[in-house]
Amino acid sequence: DTAVSQTPKYLVTQMGNDKSIKCEQNLGHDTMYWYKQDSKKFLKIMFSYNNKELIINETVPNRFSPKSPDKAHLNLHINSLELGDSAVYFCASSPPGQGAEKLFFGSGTQLSVL
Amino acid sequence: GDSVTQMEGPVTLSEEAFLTINCTYTATGYPSLFWYVQYPGEGLQLLLKATKADDKGSNKGFEATYRKETTSFHLEKGSVQVSDSAVYFCALSVRGSNYKLTFGKGTLLTVNP
Repeated sequence: DTAVSQTPKYLVTQMGNDKSIKCEQNLGHDTMYWYKQDSKKFLKIMFSYNNKELIINETVPNRFSPKSPDKAHLNLHINSLELGDSAVYFCASSPPGQGAEKLFFGSGTQLSVL
Repeated sequence: GDSVTQMEGPVTLSEEAFLTINCTYTATGYPSLFWYVQYPGEGLQLLLKATKADDKGSNKGFEATYRKETTSFHLEKGSVQVSDSAVYFCALSVRGSNYKLTFGKGTLLTVNP
């Protein structure tokens, strides 16, 4: 009964490839997020969607394109992968009206670009 | 802009020792403050929060008090256990920017038996 699930858990790929990470939540939340955690554990928000609308876009290269087909899903597509994209990517969601007051995180996708 | 500064890790303690992890913040508005915990191989979980000055958040024996005068939200626990070994993140969100959580850099805690 995973609340926020991401796939894949691990992703190893070559520079220049295009890859996607999928996220689904079964909590009935209306807001979803993507966070990036670098090798030093620093966690930074990338995107947020509320009811399928983009509400936060934090100076992320346009090689990163989030897509939210419905409130329960937020996928992240990355074009032309670079070495610096190697990180752990976390999906999260929050209940209606609570914004960032309570985030529920997935277990992360470790992306390694070779 | 908004920022959170945590004490540098790693922190290594023996079981039953007292824990303090310092956290200070700067914010453009009136923030809510949080501590999140990340156990090995897992996503972050909310540990506790406080939404106004002098509030104390508490959970699982951990406590933190919102100190507006010192812009701090230090995490404490009186007696740590091996199972508390994790990375701890201090974070804030500012009213009016309710969907954005700004995190500190995380502090790795290792508790030895």
